[in-house]
Amino acid sequence: ETGVTQSPTHLIKTRGQQVTLRCSSQSGHNTVSWYQQALGQGPQFIFQYYREEENGRGNFPPRFSGLQFPNYSSELNVNALELDDSALYLCASSLDSGGNTEAFFGQGTRLTVV
Amino acid sequence: AQRVTQPEKLLSVFKGAPVELKCNYSYSGSPELFWYVQYSRQRLQLLLRHISRESIKGFTADLNKGETSFHLKKPFAQEEDSAMYYCALSRYNQGGKLIFGQGTELSVKP
Repeated sequence: ETGVTQSPTHLIKTRGQQVTLRCSSQSGHNTVSWYQQALGQGPQFIFQYYREEENGRGNFPPRFSGLQFPNYSSELNVNALELDDSALYLCASSLDSGGNTEAFFGQGTRLTVV
Repeated sequence: AQRVTQPEKLLSVFKGAPVELKCNYSYSGSPELFWYVQYSRQRLQLLLRHISRESIKGFTADLNKGETSFHLKKPFAQEEDSAMYYCALSRYNQGGKLIFGQGTELSVKP
């Protein structure tokens, strides 16, 4: 059973650019959630995808968007990058979107916007 | 608004001492509460959840709805318990959409 993997590990972008982060879910998991973790803070929920459809969104602007593919891998896209977007981005996969389900986290992508 | 508060950023104890990491929440409804842990250079992982009522690595946590708290406790801390601990909640039946606290760094000294 493979775990959650994210790519790239680190990324540096310029303000105004666009970025795509990738996540490969744990085998058999159909739900993926994305989180932003600023330095010294807990992770903040961005959105969740369940069977390729968005299934809930946190307090993030529309320039944060996502996709989930038939193999349940996922992408997080951020347009018009701002300096405050610098953070660790985590994805977490789970067996389904309901109940007391456990979330399995990836190691994260460290994004720096300069 | 839903919120999770962990009042201590850092908790430092000696090996063998009792540990209590505090977590308070605000939520109107029936939340599901979790503790996640991140050891050095490892990914975030689930430690325990209130619905399971289990003890993991000697840690327990009891949901107190009256005080809206979900404190994490261990009677005798070990050096390997040193890590970052996050309390989190999700709405009932909305697994995976977690609201995290700011985290408490636990340091267990020899």
